[in-house]
Amino acid sequence: AQSVTQLGSHVSVSEGALVLLRCNYSSSVPPYLFWYVQYPNQGLQLLLKYTSAATLVKGINGFEAEFKKSETSFHLTKPSAHMSDAAEYFCAVSEDNDMRFGAGTRLTVKP
Amino acid sequence: GAVVSQHPSRVICKSGTSVKIECRSLDFQATTMFWYRQFPKQSLMLMATSNEGSKATYEQGVEKDKFLINHASLTLSTLTVTSAHPEDSSFYICSALSRTNNYGYTFGSGTRLTVV
Repeated sequence: AQSVTQLGSHVSVSEGALVLLRCNYSSSVPPYLFWYVQYPNQGLQLLLKYTSAATLVKGINGFEAEFKKSETSFHLTKPSAHMSDAAEYFCAVSEDNDMRFGAGTRLTVKP
Repeated sequence: GAVVSQHPSRVICKSGTSVKIECRSLDFQATTMFWYRQFPKQSLMLMATSNEGSKATYEQGVEKDKFLINHASLTLSTLTVTSAHPEDSSFYICSALSRTNNYGYTFGSGTRLTVV
């Protein structure tokens, strides 16, 4: 069965610092992988998705994620954090038509 | 891009009443609709999956008679919370899958349900 594990329920970085949000997946077939962001009181917004094309996926707002099959990982990174990046981030995996989400990582950005 | 309109965004209802949440795909055909709920500080939980014209498939532990899902057309799916109770208070989100949208999932904006 497909699943994702997000390591770290809370991550705090300083403004301008590197953002690294970790996601490991489990899938019996080559998966589709997603990162979503949820700002307070808003719905989910797709940051990026991996669909078996390039292993390095670039998304919106300067985020990118690299698919590493050997490590079954799909970590999300951003070189320089901005205050507006503070939000909840969800990693998700999909095999067929279903989608399973990780528990989420709350990102806090300190001035 | 693809848009899913979800209404209402917020609703407060009395215990024992029913609430209907709608999700409409505005510019594409949603062949499959997923309904999620999110408890505070927790991840989304898939409640059910519905394909247009078919009965919804519910996840284990989700009461199908309490959470009625209708997906009668390719552009509209509804979730009705029947005889709502305070423990049903949650954030409900729909997600539409279009087979003609490059494997794109489009989420609604969510509905915050509060049962008092």
